[in-house]
Amino acid sequence: QAVLTQPSSLSASPGASASLTCTLRSGINVGTPWIYWYQQKPGSPPQFLLRFKSDSDKHQGSGVPSRFSGSKDASANAAILLISGLQSEDEADYYCVIWRASGVVFGGGTRLTVL
Amino acid sequence: QVLLVESGGGVVQPGGSLRLSCAASGFIFRNYGMHWVRQAPGKGLEWVAVIWHDGKNKDHSDSVEGRFTISRDNSKNTLYLQMSSLRVEDTAVYHCARDPGEDAEMDVWGQGTTVTVSS
Repeated sequence: QAVLTQPSSLSASPGASASLTCTLRSGINVGTPWIYWYQQKPGSPPQFLLRFKSDSDKHQGSGVPSRFSGSKDASANAAILLISGLQSEDEADYYCVIWRASGVVFGGGTRLTVL
Repeated sequence: QVLLVESGGGVVQPGGSLRLSCAASGFIFRNYGMHWVRQAPGKGLEWVAVIWHDGKNKDHSDSVEGRFTISRDNSKNTLYLQMSSLRVEDTAVYHCARDPGEDAEMDVWGQGTTVTVSS
């Protein structure tokens, strides 16, 4: 079982909201680690969006709009990246990341299509 | 302007070696941790290695442990990745990335250099 599992794709309409999930492997409590989110557009390197641990412990990347936000769903043992007011420019791949004792782990990524 | 520029990629046969470099400019290099992250063609991102600001602590992913070595020269503002015993599955674009907090927040990325392992 992968450490971080993300749905491979998600579609949403312009102006709507999109929730991208990142499920942590059983045995890794989502409440513990910082969760990092990255956006990657075709042909470009990834861009750091934000990191989230709790509602009182979070950090937005420089220049990242506030319509990108993080949260956690303890019942699902999952981290969530919420993108509100979707724009065509949000179409990209999104990766969740955690830091473990064994190093950095990337999720498989979700391709978000805005149509 | 904060900039990371990778170089050293190329085509190499299985079992061969390469050394990648990442030249940093526009910031105080010695104050930051640095990562290598790779992306195979059409695939997702895979973390490769990290080195702390002073070079004293480093870590490598299981997939490259014992074959790749991350290092840095703070006097030259340069990060390195020495790759040996290369495998076909190491074919990827290799990015270096800056980490201000020495965790997993990579706030500046290079464009990447392409490594192709093929006979």
